[in-house]
Order: sequence, then C-alpha cells, then structure tokens
Amino acid sequence: GQQVMQIPQYQHVQEGEDFTTYCNSSTTLSNIQWYKQRPGGHPVFLIQLVKSGEVKKQKRLTFQFGEAKKNSSLHITATQTTDVGTYFCAGYTDNFNKFYFGSGTKLNVKP
Amino acid sequence: KAGVTQTPRYLIKTRGQQVTLSCSPISGHRSVSWYQQTPGQGLQFLFEYFSETQRNKGNFPGRFSGRQFSNSRSEMNVSTLELGDSALYLCASSLGQGAYEQYFGPGTRLTVT
Repeated sequence: GQQVMQIPQYQHVQEGEDFTTYCNSSTTLSNIQWYKQRPGGHPVFLIQLVKSGEVKKQKRLTFQFGEAKKNSSLHITATQTTDVGTYFCAGYTDNFNKFYFGSGTKLNVKP
Repeated sequence: KAGVTQTPRYLIKTRGQQVTLSCSPISGHRSVSWYQQTPGQGLQFLFEYFSETQRNKGNFPGRFSGRQFSNSRSEMNVSTLELGDSALYLCASSLGQGAYEQYFGPGTRLTVT
C-alpha cells in the first residue's frame, strides 16, 4: 500500500554542521508537507511543496520536491541547537485523499 | 486566534474500558483529523472529519470511532481499550478537506494499564 519512507531515523550533528533528511514515496504525491516536532511538543507546519522540482527556502532551511513528485528533502545549513527536534514529511495523494506521514528524523545538535 | 485545544491532556485507563477524547479546532477551520503517535509506529492517520462527515479513515479497528459536531468540534472514542492503545493522540485542524496546512493540538497522552 501507499507509504512514505523517511531516512535517516536519527542524526547527531555538531552545531554548525549541515543536516539533511529524505522522504521517498512509493507512488506519486500531489503535494508534500514538512513538520517539526520539538521534544515534548506537537508537530508544527513548516512548508508545503506542490510543483514538480519545486525548491523553497526558509532562512537556513531548504526544501525540495523531486521531479517525479515521489521524493523530497529538507536541508538545514549550519545547524543550531534550536533546530533540535523530529522532522516529519507528510505526503498527500489525491487517490486516497489523505496524508501519509514519514516515520520522522530525530535531529540532535551538540553545542 | 486561539490554537487547537485538546482535552484531557493526560488520561490513564485500564484494559477493557472506553475513552472519549475531545478536540476544538481553530475558529473557522472545518476539517479535523486525528492521528495516533507512538515511538514505534510514528504518526498514524485515524480519520478525517469535514462538515460533520467522516471523509476518510485509516487502518484502525472499529473500536476507534469519531464524530464531528456542527461547530466543528470533534471527539474520538476508543472502546475496549488494549495495552497497545497507549499513545499520544493528536488532533489537527485545517481550513478545508484535503491538502491544507494542518495545525496540531498539544495531544492527549493516553496510558492503558
């Protein structure tokens, strides 16, 4: 069935290093969203990508949607301790009319 | 604008009991989705309600049910609780049905003993 795979599961980086998390879908997505969940908190919406090959930036965060609309990535440049949390992608398919969340990448930033 | 609120925040139940969780969406939001979050399974979609109708359902047993009221507030019910139902239950509201930005509530932490 439809699923969204996300890697890596965990990432430990030194403050100032870059970080990337990847999502891959078994089928074509109509759009993909990214969320951040701080420890003990709830997911907070970061961005939505809709177009094939779309790239969006938010300060140090860069989001990409693949040409085939089956994969996406989130890249953080020069991580800071405030980036700590779990990053989830959520792919939406028109076929099933629902979001499929990736398993999340837990980011730990060492000062 | 007030965010999504969920009550109660914490709940302890024993196996076999039933539980009802409540979610009040952001004012003006008509869609409410429910998710179960566990360390092992991540965020699993339960169901989505829009205009008091269940629009979509995840792969959960019939013990999990929900409803939405005319003011868009939603409740979910779990009957005959099992140990494996222990999880964080998150409610998310959005403006409309489908691929809209979702605003999550703080969740209800359910522990089944």
